[in-house]
Amino acid sequence: SSELTQDPAVSVALGQTVRITCQGDTLRNYYANWYQQRPGQAPVLVMYGENNRPSGIPDRFSGSSSGDTASLTITGAQAVDEADYYCSSRDSSGIYVFGTGTKVTVL
Amino acid sequence: EVQLMESGGKLVQPGRSLRLSCAASGFIFEDFTMLWVRQAPGKGLEWVSRITRNSGNTGYADSVKGRFTISRDNAKNSLYLQVNSLRHEDTALYYCAREMTADPDAFDLWGHGTMVTVSS
Repeated sequence: SSELTQDPAVSVALGQTVRITCQGDTLRNYYANWYQQRPGQAPVLVMYGENNRPSGIPDRFSGSSSGDTASLTITGAQAVDEADYYCSSRDSSGIYVFGTGTKVTVL
Repeated sequence: EVQLMESGGKLVQPGRSLRLSCAASGFIFEDFTMLWVRQAPGKGLEWVSRITRNSGNTGYADSVKGRFTISRDNAKNSLYLQVNSLRHEDTALYYCAREMTADPDAFDLWGHGTMVTVSS
């Protein structure tokens, strides 16, 4: 089955930029989507497709992709951005997979 | 208000069965493919199953295939997950979620989850 690998944790100073990556073979054929999960809360979609933000998601969030790696960038990180972030995608058989998750700490 | 609300989770013994439900409101339920995602305590998200709008197509993760069955009742705006032969490793918070119409690989609405604990 497909796997998506993320760095377990990253930290960023308040107001600075952080990039979260997601690596997996399936990303060569399918886009990654990104979810933010704050402690004790349900996941929230923050990025989908090539670089699309759902309504209500701040424009400091952006997405990109190259080869087998997708990235979510937070430009000007805020304290409220401190959360776990998961990428997800699908494989050719229609099975979906989530990344291993990245804990973002805003210092 | 657009929302999903799960129910049915509880403490059960290994080998037993359970039926999880998800009530949808505030949107046209029958227009959306729906899915279940679970999260074991302190762990990451795991996609479990999906069902298309008219129940014509379903899919399952390998870890639950043959034990879990997804279904829906569009007249009742409800999604279900029948979970059989429960194992300790099925202990998790089970979320129902909705696939976007703009991007079917993205899930734009989630419930708050219902907890299933498998223990003797």
